[in-house]
Amino acid sequence: NAGVMQNPRHLVRRRGQEARLRCSPMKGHSHVYWYRQLPEEGLKFMVYLQKENIIDESGMPKERFSAEFPKEGPSILRIQQVVRGDSAAYFCASSPRDQTIGELFFGEGSRLTVL
Amino acid sequence: AQTVTQSQPEMSVQEAETVTLSCTYDTSENNYYLFWYKQPPSRQMILVIRQEAYKQQNATENRFSVNFQKAAKSFSLKISDSQLGDTAMYFCALVGANSKLTFGKGITLSVRP
Repeated sequence: NAGVMQNPRHLVRRRGQEARLRCSPMKGHSHVYWYRQLPEEGLKFMVYLQKENIIDESGMPKERFSAEFPKEGPSILRIQQVVRGDSAAYFCASSPRDQTIGELFFGEGSRLTVL
Repeated sequence: AQTVTQSQPEMSVQEAETVTLSCTYDTSENNYYLFWYKQPPSRQMILVIRQEAYKQQNATENRFSVNFQKAAKSFSLKISDSQLGDTAMYFCALVGANSKLTFGKGITLSVRP
C-alpha cells in the first residue's frame, strides 16, 4: 500500500512564475490536508479538502494560492506569481476520515525555492 | 484558537539514556487528540505516538511514552534507551473538532554516540 505521494520533491521557480504541487493520497483516503513549513518552524495548516470540496481554507493566503482535489487525480496546490517568501516545504497529508478521529499520513513534502 | 508551545529549541542525550521533551498546549475544547511527530533529516513527518484527551492512561509505543497532564495542559514525550536513529526534530501537535492540526515549533534532538 503506497503512502502519500508528493511531486515534485524539489521545485525551483523564478519570481512571478507559477508553482504546482501535486499530492496523491493513500489508497482509500478521501481527506487531504496541505501544510506549509518555513525554515526552523513547525507546520502551518493551509487547507483541508475532500473530493471535489474545500472544507476549510482558513490557512490559505487570500491571494495567489489555490487548492483543489478533483474527483479523479491528485490534489493540486497552486501558487501563482510566486515571491521569495513562498519558499518553503509544502506537506500533504491524507486520512481515511475526519482527522479528529484518525491520524494523518504525511507525504515527504515538496520543497519550493523561489529565486 | 488552539496553541501548542515547545519552549526548548534543542536537546542532546547520550545514546542509551532517557530524554524527555516538553510540550504545553491550550484549547477550549473537551475532545481533542495530541500527537508527537518525528521529522528526521529526510524531512518526512512520522507519527511517533498519539493520545486521546478522554483517556487518562498515558500512551506508550515501545521506547516512547507520554506524560499527559490534562489539567496542566502538558504533554511531554519520554524516549527511553535513546538510539542514534532518534536524532531528528520532534513536533508536538493538537487536533480538535475543527480538524486543523496545530503544531509546535519543534525541538531538535541530538543523540550522541
